[in-house]
Amino acid sequence: DARVTQTPRHKVTEMGQEVTMRCQPILGHNTVFWYRQTMMQGLELLAYFRNRAPLDDSGMPKDRFSAEMPDATLATLKIQPSEPRDSAVYFCASGRVTGGHTEAFFGQGTRLTVV
Amino acid sequence: AQKITQTQPGMFVQEKEAVTLDCTYDTSDPSYGLFWYKQPSSGEMIFLIYQGSYDQQNATEGRYSLNFQKARKSANLVISASQLGDSAMYFCASDQTGANNLFFGTGTRLTVIP
Repeated sequence: DARVTQTPRHKVTEMGQEVTMRCQPILGHNTVFWYRQTMMQGLELLAYFRNRAPLDDSGMPKDRFSAEMPDATLATLKIQPSEPRDSAVYFCASGRVTGGHTEAFFGQGTRLTVV
Repeated sequence: AQKITQTQPGMFVQEKEAVTLDCTYDTSDPSYGLFWYKQPSSGEMIFLIYQGSYDQQNATEGRYSLNFQKARKSANLVISASQLGDSAMYFCASDQTGANNLFFGTGTRLTVIP
């Protein structure tokens, strides 16, 4: 049963530290999304990739966040330096474009707490 | 960008009854997709159903159906014969054809009462 795998599932870090979240998309999927979920803002689209190329990262604070896909099996989201307001659940989703639309399958998320 | 509105923060339904979760969207794009996702307390996001803006018929997937009213820009989710396991947050989402960004509403928390 293919699924999106995210690591770590939970991360507690001190303010100012670098945080890297990893995502293994489903094999064969050519689109990868990163979302952040908080109680206040709900689900925010941070960035997404098609065929490993970043298509849109306008939802991401550029000064501290970066997203990459070093290869087709790995997507990373990095925060440096982390701040308490970054505390959230970060979801990765992958999908395949079909008929102009992408059905996205989500990972279980990384719950990040910055203290 | 699309704007998705879910006006019901919380809904209750009796087990075995049907329930409708509301979703309206705001877009000027002629072609778009509409999605519903379920998020149980465990936190994962589960895809439920998809409707394309040019689809003539309302989408159905088992007990889920999407009541698509294009002129009203609404895409309500209907869950028939509710089960206790349906208790979860439900998110409506939309994308633009070709852009494949996917924007979510704020969600509706559904509680199924035994």
